[in-house]
Amino acid sequence: AQTVTQSQPEMSVQEAETVTLSCTYDTSENNYYLFWYKQPPSRQMILVIRQEAYKQQNATENRFSVNFQKAAKSFSLKISDSQLGDTAMYFCAFMKSRYVGSSNTGKLIFGQGTTLQVKP
Amino acid sequence: GAGVSQSPRYKVTKRGQDVALRCDPISGHVSLYWYRQALGQGPEFLTYFNYEAQQDKSGLPNDRFSAERPEGSISTLTIQRTEQRDSAMYRCASSLALRVLLAKQETQYFGPGTRLLVL
Repeated sequence: AQTVTQSQPEMSVQEAETVTLSCTYDTSENNYYLFWYKQPPSRQMILVIRQEAYKQQNATENRFSVNFQKAAKSFSLKISDSQLGDTAMYFCAFMKSRYVGSSNTGKLIFGQGTTLQVKP
Repeated sequence: GAGVSQSPRYKVTKRGQDVALRCDPISGHVSLYWYRQALGQGPEFLTYFNYEAQQDKSGLPNDRFSAERPEGSISTLTIQRTEQRDSAMYRCASSLALRVLLAKQETQYFGPGTRLLVL
């Protein structure tokens, strides 16, 4: 079974600085997707960034980028130029790739989350 | 276009009552998922629909929980004889998933959730 581990329950960063959130996962699969979701105090669940395991290039979305190390099974999120609105709980999630005819349902497996506080 | 919507947003009920939680996915999305999230934890999978077919219900905790998606669009999660331990945030997510080898189509978009409190 797949597991996702976020070892940093809480982190803080000064506004405009850079912070990195860690995520490791355990799987025997070769094809899968990884996601970071953000949950602000409103408790919405918002997609931040996604990565396909077969792509060696790290995904980037504006101020958000990932460091994907497939061999090490590591998927960290870097937030540059942190803003007050980045204050949220961040969840790392894993999904096995699906194939035509496979029984895999594509469910997400989440880590425990990291609470990030951006300080003015 | 509109995102995933859920209703009610909050539900307070007494132990032993039945509750029905509704999810309206993004139009055209094939896959629909239900998750449950305890405070301070990540969401946990409950069940999955491909169109109207419930293809995975392995995450439903017991037979008091059931779900349906009769026309392949709106879904209802029903909890019978609620217990205090059922209190949680219940989230619905949908994905396009017409071509399952594309990450963009496999991305799940979440609704705002229904916060259930069982007294």
